[in-house]
Amino acid sequence: AQKVTQAQTEISVVEKEDVTLDCVYETRDTTYYLFWYKQPPSGELVFLIRRNSFDEQNEISGRYSWNFQKSTSSFNFTITASQVVDSAVYFCALSESDRGSTLGRLYFGRGTQLTVWP
Amino acid sequence: DGGITQSPKYLFRKEGQNVTLSCEQNLNHDAMYWYRQDPGQGLRLIYYSQIVNDFQKGDIAEGYSVSREKKESFPLTVTSAQKNPTAFYLCASTPIPGRMKNTGELFFGEGSRLTVL
Repeated sequence: AQKVTQAQTEISVVEKEDVTLDCVYETRDTTYYLFWYKQPPSGELVFLIRRNSFDEQNEISGRYSWNFQKSTSSFNFTITASQVVDSAVYFCALSESDRGSTLGRLYFGRGTQLTVWP
Repeated sequence: DGGITQSPKYLFRKEGQNVTLSCEQNLNHDAMYWYRQDPGQGLRLIYYSQIVNDFQKGDIAEGYSVSREKKESFPLTVTSAQKNPTAFYLCASTPIPGRMKNTGELFFGEGSRLTVL
């Protein structure tokens, strides 16, 4: 079973539109971490955010915001006033433990290709 | 600058040949990982290593081998036993909790694209 589901395969928006990327996860652990990564055309994954399971506060960083809801097992990502440079593949990921033996073992969703048109 | 270097960036291989992808990091990270990415797929874990001379299989280790003789290096060999090796391969690293400040973030290289002809 998929631990992380990103139902949106591709999204296209016009510049300055707001866009939300959905992420639903599945885990039985009480301690876990959720991540968002951006993959531009160059291929390297760029870390955007980490959220632990005990912190449900929403976070805002510039045009980016994240909504974590344990009740629905979702960790959605919103880009406000999108720009062409936001075009990339975005991955949501789950880490089920912060024990040293498994930290860094991330389960990734299939990614959402975001295209922002000028 | 500190980071992860993967080479080669592009690689072509004939069927039946083994090929080794290089991954070097100068971040002083203990743990290193290899992920495989296929079009429209997420990243799937091939192998990981938490310490020198030790490594563990991930979800899709069949047809691959690794070594960890030095902390800085974690090469991946794609063997002829791998039935569908054409993919994008990403190497990553992270500090171990307690040894360095660790946010759980994985640091990635720029990837190696392998094509089997």
